[in-house]
Amino acid sequence: DGGITQSPKYLFRKEGQNVTLSCEQNLNHDAMYWYRQDPGQGLRLIYYSQIVNDFQKGDIAEGYSVSREKKESFPLTVTSAQKNPTAFYLCASSIGNMGQNYGYTFGSGTRLTVV
Amino acid sequence: AQSVTQLDSQVPVFEEAPVELRCNYSSSVSVYLFWYVQYPNQGLQLLLKYLSGSTLVKGINGFEAEFNKSQTSFHLRKPSVHISDTAEYFCAVSETGGFKTIFGAGTRLFVKA
Repeated sequence: DGGITQSPKYLFRKEGQNVTLSCEQNLNHDAMYWYRQDPGQGLRLIYYSQIVNDFQKGDIAEGYSVSREKKESFPLTVTSAQKNPTAFYLCASSIGNMGQNYGYTFGSGTRLTVV
Repeated sequence: AQSVTQLDSQVPVFEEAPVELRCNYSSSVSVYLFWYVQYPNQGLQLLLKYLSGSTLVKGINGFEAEFNKSQTSFHLRKPSVHISDTAEYFCAVSETGGFKTIFGAGTRLFVKA
């Protein structure tokens, strides 16, 4: 079955540590996205990528970095510069042909907690 | 720039009763509209979408939504809810031809027996 796999499901980060969240899709989708979800705030866009080797900052990119070396993979690194990283992180993809967004497929999320 | 407002943060309703979750949007260009559902500790799942054509859109699990361009609304309805519909529902808007989607803050639907 096609879908998006996020790992790990739960992640604990110590102060000053960088951590990387994995996102893999086998849907052959061109576009991929990272969102952060906090209670009562909906989803906020961190980064997105329309094609391999290209990505753009979203609304809250500070303290995060991404790469898109393969079409299937879009890992997110939460750096020590992100002062409040505790949140639920969601990866999504869409077909994205010619800039058309017909709806997202989401992964099951990674819950990151600072300890 | 687009924005999305979900008018109710929580909606309690009894089982088998009808429900409406309200969503208003603002945009200076034509848009696509979506409703997603999220169960606890899971990702979001697409319920339905309006891209063009008929303003009444039917989705999964018996939900439907109506696009009203003059009122810039896209309310979600179900004629009879089940306990299993308890979840958080997100309205979202995307500029036609655009990659980015803007999400509302969510409405928590709580179905009581």
